[in-house]
Amino acid sequence: AQSVSQHNHHVILSEAASLELGCNYSYGGTVNLFWYVQYPGQHLQLLLKYFSGDPLVKGIKGFEAEFIKSKFSFNLRKPSVQWSDTAEYFCAVNAPGNTGKLIFGQGTTLQVKP
Amino acid sequence: GAGVSQTPSNKVTEKGKYVELRCDPISGHTALYWYRQSLGQGPEFLIYFQGTGAADDSGLPNDRFFAVRPEGSVSTLKIQRTERGDSAVYLCASSLVDADRTEAFFGQGTRLTVV
Repeated sequence: AQSVSQHNHHVILSEAASLELGCNYSYGGTVNLFWYVQYPGQHLQLLLKYFSGDPLVKGIKGFEAEFIKSKFSFNLRKPSVQWSDTAEYFCAVNAPGNTGKLIFGQGTTLQVKP
Repeated sequence: GAGVSQTPSNKVTEKGKYVELRCDPISGHTALYWYRQSLGQGPEFLIYFQGTGAADDSGLPNDRFFAVRPEGSVSTLKIQRTERGDSAVYLCASSLVDADRTEAFFGQGTRLTVV
């Protein structure tokens, strides 16, 4: 069965610090990969996605993620965080042709101090 | 509406009662998903509809849970004989075809508390 693991449960950073959130998945076949963000009081929204092609994908608000197939990883990065990036971040995977259901990691809470 | 709408936003019910949670997807989206998110966890898949039919209900935890989408638009998640362990946020998402290659848009969820 597919699973997703996010290594950091709670991250605290100061503004302008760099961010990297780890995500590993277990699935032997081709996968689609996603990062979702949930700002306080808001719904889950897509940050970025990887389906195929360039393994370095850029999303909204300056976020990017790199798919490393050999490591089954899809880490999220941002060079300089802002207070407004305080949120919960979820990595998710689905298998093409498998109804599109998403398997989520347990989430990482990011707190950015002003 | 502009996004996925879920009602009610909060529901408190007594153990053993029956509840219905409603999801109104984005107009034109044929795929609809239900997820459940417990405290400190990521969302867990419950059921997927393509049109009116449940194409994948492998995530429903037991036969107390049931969902319908009779006209291929609004969906209702039904929970019978609620238990305290059912307390969670229930999320609905919709996408244009299925979320295989297209983005799934999430509602704000219904927070269910069973007391």
